[in-house]
Amino acid sequence: EAQVTQNPRYLITVTGKKLTVTCSQNMNHEYMSWYRQDPGLGLRQIYYSMNVEVTDKGDVPEGYKVSRKEKRNFPLILESPSPNQTSLYFCASSWTGGAYNSPLHFGNGTRLTVT
Amino acid sequence: KQEVTQIPAALSVPEGENLVLNCSFTDSAIYNLQWFRQDPGKGLTSLLLIQSSQREQTSGRLNASLDKSSGRSTLYIAASQPGDSATYLCAVRIIIQGAQKLVFGQGTRLTINP
Repeated sequence: EAQVTQNPRYLITVTGKKLTVTCSQNMNHEYMSWYRQDPGLGLRQIYYSMNVEVTDKGDVPEGYKVSRKEKRNFPLILESPSPNQTSLYFCASSWTGGAYNSPLHFGNGTRLTVT
Repeated sequence: KQEVTQIPAALSVPEGENLVLNCSFTDSAIYNLQWFRQDPGKGLTSLLLIQSSQREQTSGRLNASLDKSSGRSTLYIAASQPGDSATYLCAVRIIIQGAQKLVFGQGTRLTINP
């Protein structure tokens, strides 16, 4: 089954403790992206990747890191989490062919709480 | 700066009614517009994608239209069912200085009452 898989689904951590949220897709998509969703602010893009070893900042990249060493994986790293990073996080992927005219596929989300 | 607005924020209708959800965007230079459905605590499911050169797309009881010149899209749901209850989001794909971005609206929370 074609899917985007995020882990973990729920995560509670303390300020300053490094964490990684994994994202994997099995559709051979070039494009992958991370979003956070907050009440009243909607979905905002954190980072995206056009292909292996190619990443770029989105609208809210501060406090986050990403890497794209393999086509299928795009982990989100919080080196020193803070309470303002408490949010619902989504990973997404799509083809990049055809002038970006391909639908975006989302994972089921990771609910992160930083205390 | 591209902004996407969805009005109303919430909508409640009786089962069986046809309904229209609205999405407006401020800059017509888009590559495509995508409608998503989000169930509580879940990810986003793609419903329809309309390319910038298209006027509409249909899938089952759903029909999405796009009017780039006026910066508007509508999602028409025919014969609504309680299972259609969810939050519906629209998003436009734009390119800014070579960077690909998706700009989302804040969504319309739809409730279909049996």
